[in-house]
Amino acid sequence: GAVVSQHPSRVICKSGTSVKIECRSLDFQATTMFWYRQFPKQSLMLMATSNEGSKATYEQGVEKDKFLINHASLTLSTLTVTSAHPEDSSFYICSAPLKTGQGLNTQYFGPGTRLTVL
Amino acid sequence: AQSVTQLDSQVPVFEEAPVELRCNYSSSVSVYLFWYVQYPNQGLQLLLKYLSGSTLVKGINGFEAEFNKSQTSFHLRKPSVHISDTAEYFCAVSKAAGNKLTFGGGTRVLVKP
Repeated sequence: GAVVSQHPSRVICKSGTSVKIECRSLDFQATTMFWYRQFPKQSLMLMATSNEGSKATYEQGVEKDKFLINHASLTLSTLTVTSAHPEDSSFYICSAPLKTGQGLNTQYFGPGTRLTVL
Repeated sequence: AQSVTQLDSQVPVFEEAPVELRCNYSSSVSVYLFWYVQYPNQGLQLLLKYLSGSTLVKGINGFEAEFNKSQTSFHLRKPSVHISDTAEYFCAVSKAAGNKLTFGGGTRVLVKP
């Protein structure tokens, strides 16, 4: 099946620093990828839609200047948390759609990145 | 806009017993429906999906779900659970298969020996 990877799997950083998280589709191309955020014991909340070659689309309430998204190629999207603060500590998960046998897309999820801001 | 409600936040169940996880959704348009499983500190794995056709959908690991349009429900079932089924389960909808997903709050299943 399709594989989506994320790097790093865990990161700990100091408050005020920036952290970059990579999301890669390993064996397929994705013109669109999605970034989700998950707080402990809670559900996933969509943050933004990453579009290859154009600007990302952010969900209401998500600060685009704080969560920078770059979709540089058909297999790579990056999320940069700028000037991170403890409240940004969370589990960040990306997904990418792949067209399957019925001609419809299925979302494949990365394993997630746990960010801890001290 | 769509919304998804998972009625049970936690479901304790004994090994080899059946389990049902409830999911209701609301949407002004037709949606596609999904169930995902998340093991601790991992991403999401697709269990099954309903796109069209038969309302009874069979997925991996012995799970199945039934789409009920009149009740706007998509409940997940497994006739006999294993310890390894202990995980968080998420119901999700999207307007198009491959489009962004709206998730329910999740149901934590704890399988006891």
